[in-house]
Amino acid sequence: ETGVTQSPTHLIKTRGQQVTLRCSSQSGHNTVSWYQQALGQGPQFIFQYYREEENGRGNFPPRFSGLQFPNYSSELNVNALELDDSALYLCASSLVTLPAEFFGPGTRLTVL
Amino acid sequence: ELKVEQNPLFLSMQEGKNYTIYCNYSTTSDRLYWYRQDPGKSLESLFVLLSNGAVKQEGRLMASLDTKARLSTLHITAAVHDLSATYFCAVVSSGAGSYQLTFGKGTKLSVIP
Repeated sequence: ETGVTQSPTHLIKTRGQQVTLRCSSQSGHNTVSWYQQALGQGPQFIFQYYREEENGRGNFPPRFSGLQFPNYSSELNVNALELDDSALYLCASSLVTLPAEFFGPGTRLTVL
Repeated sequence: ELKVEQNPLFLSMQEGKNYTIYCNYSTTSDRLYWYRQDPGKSLESLFVLLSNGAVKQEGRLMASLDTKARLSTLHITAAVHDLSATYFCAVVSSGAGSYQLTFGKGTKLSVIP
């Protein structure tokens, strides 16, 4: 186990709804990165948070947003859900100076 | 833009055989990861390779890195059924105080008894 936890495990939403996914970082880690993994694909970088601010972003639209809290846990929010948002969402925590190596268990989001 | 290519994407092999998975990447990086993913599960870290010529081994898996060729290999020796999974390589890119992992599409390995 990596010490990174995510909730919920599974989630079903309908198109147009909004969703919030949560990630608790490993003790001592101050950076959280989020990835989206569509079925049959490799994970894609969404964004990274450090000191409660976005610290890098991949090629995802603004309806993907996030937060990081003082205890370094993080949320991923997705507005106006689309069918293509159905995926496994992974978070990884790390130190800002050391790329994340370990991932949480993931949240499986299904958009109907 | 960093691109990471893995091949093959699908690999079916018999138990006891050897095979190699290749990971090519397009720009300079000083860190490369290999992960294993079982169906419906998260990513399990296998190896992190930090420098040119790095070689790491764990059980029947051995990974190597050639930064000059921008190539990493994952070699499977005497495959067993338990190695059936999808294997990803991921390359670190950094800039402006942040970093990200860029993943290949994965190699789905099926080991047949």
